[in-house]
Amino acid sequence: NAGVTQTPKFRVLKTGQSMTLLCAQDMNHEYMYWYRQDPGMGLRLIHYSVGEGTTAKGEVPDGYNVSRLKKQNFLLGLESAAPSQTSVYFCASSQQSGEGDTQYFGPGTRLTVL
Amino acid sequence: AQSVTQLGSHVSVSEGALVLLRCNYSSSVPPYLFWYVQYPNQGLQLLLKYTSAATLVKGINGFEAEFKKSETSFHLTKPSAHMSDAAEYFCAVSDNTDKLIFGTGTRLQVFP
Repeated sequence: NAGVTQTPKFRVLKTGQSMTLLCAQDMNHEYMYWYRQDPGMGLRLIHYSVGEGTTAKGEVPDGYNVSRLKKQNFLLGLESAAPSQTSVYFCASSQQSGEGDTQYFGPGTRLTVL
Repeated sequence: AQSVTQLGSHVSVSEGALVLLRCNYSSSVPPYLFWYVQYPNQGLQLLLKYTSAATLVKGINGFEAEFKKSETSFHLTKPSAHMSDAAEYFCAVSDNTDKLIFGTGTRLQVFP
């Protein structure tokens, strides 16, 4: 099993450009999450999904959109990138969160917005 | 609202010394507590978790943590540090919702 994979690993954007980050998991997990990691701030939840076709806002959702059309994939979109969105983005999945279940993380995508 | 506080953004120890990384939480209901480790340029990996069974939880790589309700703490310890333990460590809390709340992390340096 590959676990949780993320595409791309690195990306540089100019302000105003758009892009989509792809997360895929092969563990048949119901729940998927997108986090951003910034120095000194830990990980903050952007959006999450509790099943195929569902999405919900996390702590810092502004400027991002998500879709979960297939159970194994969770896409994070930036419609108009801003320098404040320069960060490392992590995707995670779990079988059933909120009951002490482990979240499994991908390797991350390092995004720079100029 | 839930929250996690990790005291000390950087901790330095000598190889062979005790490792102690501090985590205090705030939760209105009995929490689930986690420690994750992040090695350079990698994702997060679960070290251990507390889910209301034994209060002393043993994890991978010789780490353990003790849940102390009276102190609202879940400190991470390892008796003898190894060079390979150098990484960033995150404490996280979850209640009966779908989300984890992470602390700001503690970077552990191990000197020979």
